[in-house]
This record gives sequence, C-alpha cells and structure tokens, in this order.
Amino acid sequence: EDQVTQSPEALRLQEGESSSLNCSYTVSGLRGLFWYRQDPGKGPEFLFTLYSAGEEKEKERLKATLTKKESFLHITAPKPEDSATYLCAPRTSQGGSEKLVFGKGTKLTVNP
Amino acid sequence: DSGVTQTPKHLITATGQRVTLRCSPRSGDLSVYWYQQSLDQGLQFLIQYYNGEERAKGNILERFSAQQFPDLHSELNLSSLELGDSALYFCASSPRLAGGREQFFGPGTRLTVL
Repeated sequence: EDQVTQSPEALRLQEGESSSLNCSYTVSGLRGLFWYRQDPGKGPEFLFTLYSAGEEKEKERLKATLTKKESFLHITAPKPEDSATYLCAPRTSQGGSEKLVFGKGTKLTVNP
Repeated sequence: DSGVTQTPKHLITATGQRVTLRCSPRSGDLSVYWYQQSLDQGLQFLIQYYNGEERAKGNILERFSAQQFPDLHSELNLSSLELGDSALYFCASSPRLAGGREQFFGPGTRLTVL
C-alpha cells in the first residue's frame, strides 16, 4: 500500500529562522513527486515537481530536494506570508493512468 | 487563480440527501480528478476522468459517483449522505492522461452534512 509521511505535523518559526520539512514515502510505480502549498479553506497551489534522486528546484525562499525515499522542502529566511500547510504528493502509476498520493501536510506558522 | 472552477462554494444539507458538485477544468485540460479532504484523513484521491471516460479510481464510496461530459466539465454525485461525508471536495485538472504535468486545483466545495 502506498504510504506518505510528512514531518513535523506542525512547525512554528520566527521570521528569518530557516528550517526543513520532510516527506518520506513508500509507493509503487513512482512517477515524480509534487509539492503543493495550501492556505486555509483554499485549493492546493502547485510549487514544484521533482523527478529523479538528486534533483533540486528553487522558488524564492523555498528549495525542494529529492532522494530515493524522501523529499525535503527547505525554507530559507521565511516571512509571515510563507505561513501555510505544505503538502507533498508522490505520483504513482496504475493501469496506464496516474494519481497523486498526498501526505497529511506540515502546517507552517511564521511569526513576525 | 488556477483556472479550475467549482460550484457551489458551500453546501449544507441533511443526512440521507443527495447532492451534486460541479467542476469546470482549465481550458484545454482533458483530465479531471476529484479529491476529498477531511481533517483527519488529508487529501484523498477519489476518481479520475479523461476525455469523458473513467480512468482511475481511488477511495471512492459506492454511494458516490462521477461523470465527465462532452464539454469536459465534471460532476460528482454524493448520495445517502452521512455525517462523515462532511469535508472539502476538490477538483483538479491536467492536460493529459498521464506523465509530465502537474494537477491544478480548484477552490473546492465545502460540504456540511447535518
């Protein structure tokens, strides 16, 4: 069975205090890993796609990295507007079509 | 704005009732996905349609069904509603059946079953 675990469940940072979020997964037929940001009551917003171990992608204060069994989302010098829930989702293949398997997310709060 | 639209935004109904949620994908996208998000379960994949045909099923209950119409909009039908069906329901779309492209999510429909 496909499993995705994100840690920590919640993280409080002071503005400017860098940290990392973890996503570990056990899935069959991996076809990439996605990171999304979700604000309360809104739909997930796409951040990154990673396809192979060693790959890195950056966007503003965020950097996503991928190993064979984990992905990390590094947040450098965060600002209060980075407060959100961050979701990771490996994409798995089944019967010629694909689906995303979401973790429960890490709720990030950045205090000014 | 992702380009995916969902209606209604909020829906309040009673146990035992039936509701229909509607989704319009981004222009040109052929794949539509439905997800349920509850507080304890996170985002759960329900079902995927591609160009009018069902292509993948996830944790969708038998009381739930979906379809995708020729104009590519999709509807999720929920029947014999129970308190536990209260959740956010999201629709997402992508251009192809598989491979290479991210899914773009709509703003969701919040369903409350009383």
